[in-house]
Amino acid sequence: GQQLNQSPQSMFIQEGEDVSMNCTSSSIFNTWLWYKQDPGEGPVLLIALYKAGELTSNGRLTAQFGITRKDSFLNISASIPSDVGIYFCAGRLSGGSNYKLTFGKGTLLTVNP
Amino acid sequence: EAGVTQFPSHSVIEKGQTVTLRCDPISGHDNLYWYRRVMGKEIKFLLHFVKESKQDESGMPNNRFLAERTGGTYSTLKVQPAELEDSGVYFCASSFREGDYTFGSGTRLTVV
Repeated sequence: GQQLNQSPQSMFIQEGEDVSMNCTSSSIFNTWLWYKQDPGEGPVLLIALYKAGELTSNGRLTAQFGITRKDSFLNISASIPSDVGIYFCAGRLSGGSNYKLTFGKGTLLTVNP
Repeated sequence: EAGVTQFPSHSVIEKGQTVTLRCDPISGHDNLYWYRRVMGKEIKFLLHFVKESKQDESGMPNNRFLAERTGGTYSTLKVQPAELEDSGVYFCASSFREGDYTFGSGTRLTVV
């Protein structure tokens, strides 16, 4: 089946630093999504990307949909303690009734104040 | 509006026992999904309901798992009999249309 390779697995950074994480796939996706999961909660959508090459920002977050449609990255600028959590990338093949998401294994982010 | 609600939040059962997880989607959301995350692995798709019909159950691990959504409202996911490898966090999500997923907080299942 489809798999997403997400890296890094974990990051330990100081408050104020920038963070970058990415996902690659051997398969093409039509939509890339980035989620954040806080402890004890479910994943919450941060950014959705729908077109190859698309660059989208949401506050301090910036994400891009790779030209080949097989990769995406997420950048967080000027990290703060509340950025701590697990970040997941997810891909979706659109069309018909296929709403299924394929997730990466997640990046655990720790921010030291 | 109320979010996606899952019960229980935690469950610890012995191998061989039965457990039933429940998900109440956001009112009006026809699409309901179950996903599972085993420790350290990716979140994996289990199945997708459209109203009361199973649209896609290709991710269900085996016949020990049974999902239902009678009446097209809440859904249950039963594991019978539970095995050690079934441990993980089970997430439910709902959407009105493609892409607008809202996830519940999950049920952490531990099989001992």
